[in-house]
Order: sequence, then structure tokens, then C-alpha cells
Amino acid sequence: GQNIDQPTEMTATEGAIVQINCTYQTSGFNGLFWYQQHAGEAPTFLSYNVLDGLEEKGRFSSFLSRSKGYSYLLLKELQMKDSASYLCAAENAGNMLTFGGGTRLMVKP
Amino acid sequence: DTGVSQDPRHKITKRGQNVTFRCDPISEHNRLYWYRQTLGQGPEFLTYFQNEAQLEKSRLLSNRFSAERPKGSFSTLEIQRTEQGDSAMYLCASSARTGMNTEAFFGQGTRLTVV
Repeated sequence: GQNIDQPTEMTATEGAIVQINCTYQTSGFNGLFWYQQHAGEAPTFLSYNVLDGLEEKGRFSSFLSRSKGYSYLLLKELQMKDSASYLCAAENAGNMLTFGGGTRLMVKP
Repeated sequence: DTGVSQDPRHKITKRGQNVTFRCDPISEHNRLYWYRQTLGQGPEFLTYFQNEAQLEKSRLLSNRFSAERPKGSFSTLEIQRTEQGDSAMYLCASSARTGMNTEAFFGQGTRLTVV
């Protein structure tokens, strides 16, 4: 079976740094996706991690530990437009993506 | 536009009617996924194709749902005898592996309202 856990909601202040955690259990594991989703819109791709470690893309970075079944998304220099849901998804050995319930991030002034 | 395209964007139907949605994936992507999403939830897996082969289908999916990808390009998702509980956003995604990386992108979704 597959299980993806991430916090339901987080709040942070504009300009700050926030870390959104995700733990996963999956039968066979290929890699870990992060998506951003604004209300009423489709998810947009942020990152894909297959190797352990941190990958940085501008203000967003994503970390993976395969041995711990753990990932996080790090958002720096938060902006109001970063208020959205952040979805963690694990890709299994059969290339199927299973999503967590999403973390709703609220950025306050 | 070379992204994933879904049609229609919105569909309102009466309970008991059949509906069909279409997804055109990114042309070089061999994998295609259908998901359903309701408000405040993450996308729920429905089914998955690699080329024209349907490799996985959710056990949660009733036999009123069927999907096809006849030529390994576009896909259709049909819901027969719709129920109010079918109201949701239906998302299509396509993906491909390049070396060690996988890219997977979503279409804009089809929002279904069953009245």
C-alpha cells in the first residue's frame, strides 16, 4: 500500500522561510514530486527528487531522504502569492503517482 | 500550446446522464494519468496508461467509470449514470522519464457538477 502524510495547514509571514514536510510509505519508490496548487486551479510542477539531498531552484528547494521516507519543500523569502496548497506525491516503481492531502500555506503580511 | 490540454473545462450535467472528458497529453509523454480532486483534498488516483495500455485502475473506481487511450495519444474518461457524488475536478497528467528525471504535468482540469 501507499501512504503520504503532510501537515494540513501552515501559516508564515511574508519574507520568512517555511519548511513543509512530507513522509511517505510506498511499495517500491522511484522519486518524490512537489506541486503548487492555487485555489480553483490545476497543480503546477515544482520539483522532482530521485536522489538523496537538497535540490535548489530559486526561492524553492526540495530535500529527499530515501532511507527515512522523508522529504521537505523549503520556501524562502515568502511572498503573498506563495499562499497556496503544496502537494507531495510519491512515484512508485510502476510509475504511479500517489498524492498526499496537501498543505495549505497562508502567507501573512 | 504544448502543455496538457483537457476538454471541456466545465461540465454541468443532470444526475443519470453520461459524460465524457478528453485529455491531450504532451506529445512526447508516454504516460497518462487521470485523477479526481474534491475541495480541500489532494488528487485521488483513478487510472494510469503507459502508451495505450491501461496499467492501473483504482479499486475505488466503480464500473460506471471507464477510460481509454486507443492510440497511445489522447485519452477519454467516461462516467455513466452520473451521481451527485461524482461532482469534482477531473485532472489529467502526462509524464515521461528523461534519464534519472521524471517530469509530470497536469492539464487545467475538467470541473464536473452533477445536479
